[in-house]
Amino acid sequence: NAGVTQTPKFRVLKTGQSMTLLCAQDMNHEYMYWYRQDPGMGLRLIHYSVGEGTTAKGEVPDGYNVSRLKKQNFLLGLESAAPSQTSVYFCASSYSTEAFFGQGTRLTVV
Amino acid sequence: DQQVKQNSPSLSVQEGRISILNCDYTNSMFDYFLWYKKYPAEGPTFLISISSIKDKNEDGRFTVFLNKSAKHLSLHIVPSQPGDSAVYFCAARDKAAGNKLTFGGGTRVLVKP
Repeated sequence: NAGVTQTPKFRVLKTGQSMTLLCAQDMNHEYMYWYRQDPGMGLRLIHYSVGEGTTAKGEVPDGYNVSRLKKQNFLLGLESAAPSQTSVYFCASSYSTEAFFGQGTRLTVV
Repeated sequence: DQQVKQNSPSLSVQEGRISILNCDYTNSMFDYFLWYKKYPAEGPTFLISISSIKDKNEDGRFTVFLNKSAKHLSLHIVPSQPGDSAVYFCAARDKAAGNKLTFGGGTRVLVKP
């Protein structure tokens, strides 16, 4: 049982480049989330989904887009990366209360 | 505005003693509160939770207390062990908004042997 898997684990981007982070969960959870973690800021919600085909904005959505075409996958896209998007990104999924997190993606934008 | 705050960025405690972590919130619509533990280079892992209709929940060495009138919760770890050294995040659930969790800034706990 893999739980929540994030791909890739590390990535370095140049300013202006685009990329997609993939999150996959095998627990049949309805809810999925993308967070970013920055020093002293805790985890801030970027976007979330309450089910297949749905997405909603979180606390810090600017510069990101998401898609949930399949229930088990939640994709986070950066269309034109900026140095301010250097962060550790965590995906999570939830059935009700407790959310299960992936191992994170460390992204550096230079 | 931060809806969930952890005012102590770090805590150092001797092995065997009690660790007390605090968390304050502002949104009265939160219905569940959770604590997560995070080691470096890993994702957060769930530790313990409490419903807004309760004032205490215990699981082994971990106890969470909720004071709803003060909008304050705390996590007690007794006795503290070196393996407890990690960053602890307080989180609150908003059931009306996709069950999303709002996190505090975290408290780094160091348990000294």
